[in-house]
Amino acid sequence: EPEVTQTPSHQVTQMGQEVILRCVPISNHLYFYWYRQILGQKVEFLVSFYNNEISEKSEIFDDQFSVERPDGSNFTLKIRSTKLEDSAMYFCASRLQVYGGSNQPQHFGDGTRLSIL
Amino acid sequence: AQKVTQAQTEISVVEKEDVTLDCVYETRDTTYYLFWYKQPPSGELVFLIRRNSFDEQNEISGRYSWNFQKSTSSFNFTITASQVVDSAVYFCALSEATSGGSNYKLTFGKGTLLTVNP
Repeated sequence: EPEVTQTPSHQVTQMGQEVILRCVPISNHLYFYWYRQILGQKVEFLVSFYNNEISEKSEIFDDQFSVERPDGSNFTLKIRSTKLEDSAMYFCASRLQVYGGSNQPQHFGDGTRLSIL
Repeated sequence: AQKVTQAQTEISVVEKEDVTLDCVYETRDTTYYLFWYKQPPSGELVFLIRRNSFDEQNEISGRYSWNFQKSTSSFNFTITASQVVDSAVYFCALSEATSGGSNYKLTFGKGTLLTVNP
């Protein structure tokens, strides 16, 4: 069964450094998402991406964050200057678009655990 | 704004017991979707079930069943004959059809930690 792939599984970065989290969504999916989960807390929406542009972003997704689909397969989340509070598990998800159909479930990758020192 | 409440923070059962996880949601949309996801100790998020707001038929799938009641805005999830491998955090999630067009972002509850003891 096709799956969403995220790399790396764990990233340790010094505060203030830039970090790029990578995701390969399921190949025929058209909607892409990033979520984060601070340890022990709920999963929070960051941003959604469709047709090569952001379709919605949360208040968490400030100017330090950006997303990109540099080629036909990868979907990246960049944090320009990391802060301690950015430490969390970051999940990428993708969803199939069914025209005229109902909302298809989002399929999640295994996550990248980001630790800011 | 959409909101999901999972009042049960932790549940502990003995293997083979049935367990029901509660979920209450808030939305102003008439069309919305409800989901259950499982997060085992390894950390990944696994899609379990989805329900549309216009389909209140409750179903059973193997050991899983769900009870969707629009009148009480509840979407409860039951595991029958629980097993140790069911131990995980279970998240209920909601997406609104009108959220950002067809964006369908997910709003999660805080999760319920289910521990199934042998």
